[in-house]
Amino acid sequence: KAGVTQTPRYLIKTRGQQVTLSCSPISGHRSVSWYQQTPGQGLQFLFEYFSETQRNKGNFPGRFSGRQFSNSRSEMNVSTLELGDSALYLCASSPRWGSPVGTFGSGTRLTVV
Amino acid sequence: AQTVTQSQPEMSVQEAETVTLSCTYDTSESDYYLFWYKQPPSRQMILVIRQEAYKQQNATENRFSVNFQKAAKSFSLKISDSQLGDAAMYFCASMNYGGSQGNLIFGKGTKLSVKP
Repeated sequence: KAGVTQTPRYLIKTRGQQVTLSCSPISGHRSVSWYQQTPGQGLQFLFEYFSETQRNKGNFPGRFSGRQFSNSRSEMNVSTLELGDSALYLCASSPRWGSPVGTFGSGTRLTVV
Repeated sequence: AQTVTQSQPEMSVQEAETVTLSCTYDTSESDYYLFWYKQPPSRQMILVIRQEAYKQQNATENRFSVNFQKAAKSFSLKISDSQLGDAAMYFCASMNYGGSQGNLIFGKGTKLSVKP
């Protein structure tokens, strides 16, 4: 079966712009979580969605937001981009909330110039 | 707070030999999971092996095995018969039992190189 699909693979944006990233989970998976990966901070949890509801949120400013649709696909949005937002954004899906194992996508590489 | 520490930023191994990656963690919970993930240049995080803290037996998956020392809060990964395809970043992670994916805490990673 198809894995976790993240689009786009690469993105270049200018400071102050906003961006939307997409994640399509494995069919049947209802939980989607997002992580930011940078060389300095490593992997940090952004948020988790289950049944269209945000269940948990990491320590990120309000410029980072997300949502989940009825088909479990999820989007995350970053407004007023800063240079420090340049990172690899990874999405993981799992069958249910609290499932200890998630399947990750290949990520979206965001570069802010 | 949970922490995961990987003290080896880089490791190197000869093809067909064995290598051990180190990981220590800290948690106040009694029930938790530990994981090793592999991230090749393709960027996808791939689950290598998983250990439940209540299980005394060390987990094994083909050439990958762990040495879980609960009292010492140590969770090392042993790769036997290393192959060129094992070259990647390896991340140790922990998650409290019953928590959400947000409780998945990662170490900084170890870059493994495999020499032919």
